[in-house]
Amino acid sequence: KQEVTQIPAALSVPEGENLVLNCSFTDSAIYNLQWFRQDPGKGLTSLLLIQSSQREQTSGRLNASLDKSSGRSTLYIAASQPGDSATYLCAVLNDYKLSFGAGTTVTVRA
Amino acid sequence: GAGVSQTPSNKVTEKGKYVELRCDPISGHTALYWYRQSLGQGPEFLIYFQGTGAADDSGLPNDRFFAVRPEGSVSTLKIQRTERGDSAVYLCDKAGPGYTFGSGTRLTVV
Repeated sequence: KQEVTQIPAALSVPEGENLVLNCSFTDSAIYNLQWFRQDPGKGLTSLLLIQSSQREQTSGRLNASLDKSSGRSTLYIAASQPGDSATYLCAVLNDYKLSFGAGTTVTVRA
Repeated sequence: GAGVSQTPSNKVTEKGKYVELRCDPISGHTALYWYRQSLGQGPEFLIYFQGTGAADDSGLPNDRFFAVRPEGSVSTLKIQRTERGDSAVYLCDKAGPGYTFGSGTRLTVV
């Protein structure tokens, strides 16, 4: 069974600091890996999707890397803003279904 | 989320009652998923539909849970004899390409 772990569970930083969120997974036979954002009481918003053959994806201030063989991904958020405060979830796709980590809750202090 | 409507947004029910949760993927997708998210956890897979049939229902916790998608579009998740442990947010996702999640139904069993 795929196990996905996210570290740290919570993170609080001052505005402008760069964020580094970590995700690890036990079964490297994944089809893709995704990072989602979840605001309190809301659904999931897809941020970045990395196919298993790719090493990284970038969108604006966000960059995600994937090392499939070691079962790890890292999400970098540059120059954090208070609006980045949310829970960030990592998920991997295998056997047609997503397995999620428990998330990292980020607070960016103004 | 845009493109997936889930109703109701909130449901409070008494222990032992029957509930139905609805997901409308709006534009229609072949693949549709249900996930359950408990407080402080990532979503967990429940069931996956390809068209009208359940391709994988291995995530349903027990036989009190059942889901249908009779016309290959709208899906209903049905829970019989609800228990307090069923309290969670139930999320629907239409997949391909990318992932679009609904805002979820928050079920509270009292």
